[in-house]
Amino acid sequence: QVQLQESGPGLIKPSETLSLTCIVSGDSITSRGHYWGWIRQPPGKGLEWIANIFSTGTTYYNPSLAGRITIFQDTSKNQFSLKMRSVTAADTAIYFCARAPEFCGSSTCLAFDSWGQGALVTVSS
Amino acid sequence: DIVMTQTPLSSPATLGQPASISCRSSQSVVHSDGNTYLSWLHQRPGQPPRLLIYKTSNRFSGVPDRFSGSGARTDFTLNISRVEAEDVGVYYCMQATHFPWTFGQGTKVEI
Repeated sequence: QVQLQESGPGLIKPSETLSLTCIVSGDSITSRGHYWGWIRQPPGKGLEWIANIFSTGTTYYNPSLAGRITIFQDTSKNQFSLKMRSVTAADTAIYFCARAPEFCGSSTCLAFDSWGQGALVTVSS
Repeated sequence: DIVMTQTPLSSPATLGQPASISCRSSQSVVHSDGNTYLSWLHQRPGQPPRLLIYKTSNRFSGVPDRFSGSGARTDFTLNISRVEAEDVGVYYCMQATHFPWTFGQGTKVEI
């Protein structure tokens, strides 16, 4: 059973760089055919996809954030991370990490089947 | 970007009665491999989302069979055959056919 756990700063000042890490257990982030992603949810609002990193290391970004974000993996620690530069109050949100396998059982999938509990990040001076 | 539009945004439900949520995409979400990567997720307050349906109509492991998904190309539906108390929360559709992956705004189901 895969488990994901986000870690982050909690509170960060405007213009600083946000760093989040997702620690994965029960599965390898280099497992063939998995996307590992970040999704955020402003308080009381809906979900926004931020970025994915595929098991091969290929990255995919939401164009609305692409100039400020980097997703990367640390295979030695079986974790992946997100950096977001120049944060503002609009970046205040719960940040989730999740897994989207290419296959669910024997069928193609491409859906977020496992999620972390989420990390609340507040941007405030 | 593909815009996912859900209706209704709020749905009062009755225990034991059916409920239905619609999701429409601004363009076809049929992948070049022929599959349609449209999923449905359910989120209870204070919890992360949970996958219900993937690839339009496939129930994820452990999801009760009162949940079903249907649709094609740009129009999709999540049906709950008999609403139970644990089904309250917000339901999201999501397309993973084209990057950037996008979510619907969410539909709040209340008893």
